[in-house]
Amino acid sequence: GAGVSQSPSNKVTEKGKDVELRCDPISGHTALYWYRQSLGQGLEFLIYFQGNSAPDKSGLPSDRFSAERTGGSVSTLTIQRTQQEDSAVYLCASSLVGRRINEKLFFGSGTQLSVL
Amino acid sequence: AQKVTQAQTEISVVEKEDVTLDCVYETRDTTYYLFWYKQPPSGELVFLIRRNSFDEQNEISGRYSWNFQKSTSSFNFTITASQVVDSAVYFCALKRGSSNTGKLIFGQGTTLQVKP
Repeated sequence: GAGVSQSPSNKVTEKGKDVELRCDPISGHTALYWYRQSLGQGLEFLIYFQGNSAPDKSGLPSDRFSAERTGGSVSTLTIQRTQQEDSAVYLCASSLVGRRINEKLFFGSGTQLSVL
Repeated sequence: AQKVTQAQTEISVVEKEDVTLDCVYETRDTTYYLFWYKQPPSGELVFLIRRNSFDEQNEISGRYSWNFQKSTSSFNFTITASQVVDSAVYFCALKRGSSNTGKLIFGQGTTLQVKP
């Protein structure tokens, strides 16, 4: 596609339920990132994919969070047993290579997750 | 430690006023890149500029200008003759030269409101 696509745009769930958030990066981009933006907070890095592998998972807040990427393209961020503090906007970004220092990231519009 | 600080949480100006958004960064790397992104109400972050640590030349692009000063570890952003369409959240970010993941370290963001 022309840009980074995320779905759903909004997700309301009940505490304790699992959720899956999807990201379609720009075609041909090998690097993919997940960030979280909480109310009043900056953008918090979650995980980085290079192809299908994730060399940097340092930002995942707990073992309830996991992510995978298949075919070097689509990525899914899964949050198990959601808690109210998981409520945030989850942003996905992609870039052509990832390791180049001057590369800019292209962001999607995010998924607004609300845990009731 | 790597850190980006945007001390101004919210700024409100009247159209046609000039406004400067501050960004201070911390890094021990000698090679790094600095970025500014704009996040309009639609949610998608839009790339504005990148600057490498060896280039301290100021840059002007239309009504936008950036002042990079290594001596004060600052990378400030000025909008001249602001317009209502400039209303958005603006993020400053750092990419470390020593990073092999390409991830950006973001500041907390500054919400700019331009009133007509």
